[in-house]
Amino acid sequence: EPEVTQTPSHQVTQMGQEVILRCVPISNHLYFYWYRQILGQKVEFLVSFYNNEISEKSEIFDDQFSVERPDGSNFTLKIRSTKLEDSAMYFCASSTGAQEQYFGPGTRLTVT
Amino acid sequence: AQRVTQPEKLLSVFKGAPVELKCNYSYSGSPELFWYVQYSRQRLQLLLRHISRESIKGFTADLNKGETSFHLKKPFAQEEDSAMYYCALWRGGGGADGLTFGKGTHLIIQP
Repeated sequence: EPEVTQTPSHQVTQMGQEVILRCVPISNHLYFYWYRQILGQKVEFLVSFYNNEISEKSEIFDDQFSVERPDGSNFTLKIRSTKLEDSAMYFCASSTGAQEQYFGPGTRLTVT
Repeated sequence: AQRVTQPEKLLSVFKGAPVELKCNYSYSGSPELFWYVQYSRQRLQLLLRHISRESIKGFTADLNKGETSFHLKKPFAQEEDSAMYYCALWRGGGGADGLTFGKGTHLIIQP
């Protein structure tokens, strides 16, 4: 069964550095999403992406964040100038558009 | 704005006992509701969606629009049911809409 994959599984970075989190959505899916979960808190929606552009974004998704689909398979989340409070688990998800979203295993981002 | 509330952070029951994980939501439209499960060290997986009205792994959930609830139930808990359970809402505005999650309930099934 096809699955969403994410790399790396754990990323440690220093405050102020840029990080890129990578995701490979399921191949025939058209909608892509990023979520984050700060330790002990709920899973929060960041952004959705369709037809090579952002479809919806939450208040969390400010100018510090950007997303890109650089080729036909990868979907990336870039965080510029990371802050301590960006430490979280970041989940990528994809769907055909029929609401059922398939999640990746997550990338744990630690900002020191 | 929409909101999903799972009042129990932790629920511990004995094997064979009934389980009910509570979920309440607030949204002015007609949302779709989901239950996701996350077993230890695994990814979030869809367990149930209200429109399919099916039973998965013995779990069922009925959408009660009057009480704005979508509680997850299982008549006889099994040890392998131990996991984090998240209730999620989808507004229904199109495929690009994100899910709104509750904080999750950690279900522990004791032998």
